[in-house]
Amino acid sequence: NAGVTQTPKFRVLKTGQSMTLLCAQDMNHEYMYWYRQDPGMGLRLIHYSVGEGTTAKGEVPDGYNVSRLKKQNFLLGLESAAPSQTSVYFCASSPRGAGGGETQYFGPGTRLLVL
Amino acid sequence: AQRVTQPEKLLSVFKGAPVELKCNYSYSGSPELFWYVQYSRQRLQLLLRHISRESIKGFTADLNKGETSFHLKKPFAQEEDSAMYYCALSGGGGTSYGKLTFGQGTILTVHP
Repeated sequence: NAGVTQTPKFRVLKTGQSMTLLCAQDMNHEYMYWYRQDPGMGLRLIHYSVGEGTTAKGEVPDGYNVSRLKKQNFLLGLESAAPSQTSVYFCASSPRGAGGGETQYFGPGTRLLVL
Repeated sequence: AQRVTQPEKLLSVFKGAPVELKCNYSYSGSPELFWYVQYSRQRLQLLLRHISRESIKGFTADLNKGETSFHLKKPFAQEEDSAMYYCALSGGGGTSYGKLTFGQGTILTVHP
């Protein structure tokens, strides 16, 4: 199993450009998450999904949109990139999330630089 | 609102010394607490979780509800323990959907 994969690994955008980050998991997990990692702020949840066709806002959703058309894929979109969105983006998945100490499995991350 | 605080951004110890990474949380219900670790050039991975009451790679963490803490401890640090450590909290229950609130992270450096 590849686990959780992310595409691309690195991207440079100009302010105002759009892009989509792809997350894929082959573990048949129901729940998927997008986080951003910034120095001194840890990881913050952007959006999450509890199943195919569902999405919900996390802690810092502004400027991002997501879609979960297929169970194995979770897409994160930036419609009009801003320098404040320069960050490392992590995708994660878990088999279920209703307590019980379920582990989240993380992807390798995508480094995004917005100029 | 739930919150996780890791007061130390950087922590340096020498090999063989004890190490303690601090984590404090605020949450009104019964939280699930975790420690995640990110080694250099590797992805974030679970180190341990409080409900398992396990020791992983010599690390232990005890949930202290009175002090709302979940400090990570190891009696004898090794160089390979050098990494970024994140404390994380999940609200538990049916509506948390496993969402994690992370602390700011602590970079541990173990010197030879």
